[in-house]
Amino acid sequence: AQSVTQPDIHITVSEGASLELRCNYSYGATPYLFWYVQSPGQGLQLLLKYFSGDTLVQGIKGFEAEFKRSQSSFNLRKPSVHWSDAAEYFCAVGPTSGGYNKLIFGAGTRLAVHP
Amino acid sequence: EAGVAQSPRYKIIEKRQSVAFWCNPISGHATLYWYQQILGQGPKLLIQFQNNGVVDDSQLPKDRFSAERLKGVDSTLKIQPAKLEDSAVYLCASSLGVAGGQFQFFGPGTRLTVL
Repeated sequence: AQSVTQPDIHITVSEGASLELRCNYSYGATPYLFWYVQSPGQGLQLLLKYFSGDTLVQGIKGFEAEFKRSQSSFNLRKPSVHWSDAAEYFCAVGPTSGGYNKLIFGAGTRLAVHP
Repeated sequence: EAGVAQSPRYKIIEKRQSVAFWCNPISGHATLYWYQQILGQGPKLLIQFQNNGVVDDSQLPKDRFSAERLKGVDSTLKIQPAKLEDSAVYLCASSLGVAGGQFQFFGPGTRLTVL
């Protein structure tokens, strides 16, 4: 079955500290991989995506993610967290072929940032 | 460019009542999606349109939920009658096409509370 697992429901970090949010997926083949961020009362904003090629991808707001095929993982990282990064983060997978574009989301990780 | 518009932003109804949500996608986007996001979970695709045709509605509870996109632009999602478990945020998204990997742009969502 296709699924996305985000093992950490809540994470709290201090401002300026580094961050890593975990994401593991189960899919028939290597899917397209995405990270979205959702601030309170807002829709989802795309942070970054992996389609192919370099397994380390750069996104907006200083985020990056690394695709590891052997571990079926796509972890999100940021070297220094800002207070404005407090939000909920969702990992998602989607198909690379076929006439549809259904995203499967993880349950999300809520990030709190201490000053 | 203008983003995905949704209305209303909030709705409170009693169980067994009916409710409708409206979505206006990004201009030129042929594909439109409705997602349900229950508190503490990631978004789940309810229905996907390509122009005014349905691509995927496998997870739409068709006994009470319906959706239409008559002219291939705006869309309406209806629940009739509502149940307590329908309390959720309903997200609309759009993309240029239906092929896998097309970026999905999300609206701010409609928060539905069923009492």
